[in-house]
Amino acid sequence: ELKVEQNPLFLSMQEGKNYTIYCNYSTTSDRLYWYRQDPGKSLESLFVLLSNGAVKQEGRLMASLDTKARLSTLHITAAVHDLSATYFCAVTPQGGSEKLVFGKGTKLTVNP
Amino acid sequence: NAGVTQTPKFRVLKTGQSMTLLCAQDMNHEYMYWYRQDPGMGLRLIHYSVGEGTTAKGEVPDGYNVSRLKKQNFLLGLESAAPSQTSVYFCAVWTRQPVYEQYFGPGTRLTVT
Repeated sequence: ELKVEQNPLFLSMQEGKNYTIYCNYSTTSDRLYWYRQDPGKSLESLFVLLSNGAVKQEGRLMASLDTKARLSTLHITAAVHDLSATYFCAVTPQGGSEKLVFGKGTKLTVNP
Repeated sequence: NAGVTQTPKFRVLKTGQSMTLLCAQDMNHEYMYWYRQDPGMGLRLIHYSVGEGTTAKGEVPDGYNVSRLKKQNFLLGLESAAPSQTSVYFCAVWTRQPVYEQYFGPGTRLTVT
């Protein structure tokens, strides 16, 4: 059974600082996704990572994937308040690409 | 959330009452999903459908039923609501363009008292 673990679950950081959110998964996967959710809102897709060594960047966020370690990271550079949100990683089981298994999410608060 | 709508947006039920949540899409997607989101639990899959007339159980199907009589609509039913079903419910579809990913509806916030 595929399990997805994120850490930390809560992250409070100051503006301008860097930090990394980690996503580990337990079995071989076809794809890994990162989503953002603002309070009271739906989920918004940030990144899709398809292969070992994949790296995607959008603004101050950069996601990477190491399939051998079953690990993805979401790196935040020079955080700003607008990045405050909950970030989820989600993984498709190998051969079961019609389903997603989600981590519990990381609630990020960026303080001035 | 263009293309995926959920009805209603909010609902309060009493224990034992029944209701149906509607997810509608106008983008001809085959795969549709119902999730529930609870604090600290992430999203958990309730049921899903890979095409008109098909449904399958997800991770937490107990207490829910679904139907996909038309391709555009995926219905989630609660026959006898319980306080444990207080949650935010999201519908999702798989999109293939521009990338292969799940696209989520706006959500339904359900409270069972």
